Amino acid sequence: AQRVTQPEKLLSVFKGAPVELKCNYSYSGSPELFWYVQYSRQRLQLLLRHISRESIKGFTADLNKGETSFHLKKPFAQEEDSAMYYCALIHSSASKIIFGSGTRLSIRP
Amino acid sequence: DGGITQSPKYLFRKEGQNVTLSCEQNLNHDAMYWYRQDPGQGLRLIYYSQIVNDFQKGDIAEGYSVSREKKESFPLTVTSAQKNPTAFYLCASSMGRTPTGELFFGEGSRLTVL
Repeated sequence: AQRVTQPEKLLSVFKGAPVELKCNYSYSGSPELFWYVQYSRQRLQLLLRHISRESIKGFTADLNKGETSFHLKKPFAQEEDSAMYYCALIHSSASKIIFGSGTRLSIRP
Repeated sequence: DGGITQSPKYLFRKEGQNVTLSCEQNLNHDAMYWYRQDPGQGLRLIYYSQIVNDFQKGDIAEGYSVSREKKESFPLTVTSAQKNPTAFYLCASSMGRTPTGELFFGEGSRLTVL
């Protein structure tokens, strides 16, 4: 079964510290992976996608096929990064997107 | 104001009653989706529709029903058969019939069964 696993429900780090939100996936073939973010009182929105290889708001994510991971990283956390983060992939049927269980990131001042 | 509109934002229902959640989009998107969001379980797909008059079951379709009579509308009915309906429901849409990864979400509807 195709699955996205986010092992941490809550991650709390101090402002200025590095952040790594973990995401592992099970998928046969070449997956398309994404990170979505939901800030307080805002809609869930796309943060970044692996094919773009972009950095958004200082966040990057590298697809590691050997470890089947797509961890989200930021070298220096900021208070405005506090939010709920979801890892997601496009199902092989190409008809739907599967989400992980989410990780709540809390940045302490 | 373009985007996805869900209504109502909050809804209370007595056990045994059906309730319909509205989802409207003016983005001219082909595909629409309904997800259920529960703490610790993330987003689980209920139903999705790639074109008008067609829809498919997601991972947790039991106790739910949908229709797609118009491109811009994808209402979700939570029936009395749904054993644990209290949840936060999110509607989303994407351009094209197959998702490219970017879903546009509504603000959600919180259903509470009393």
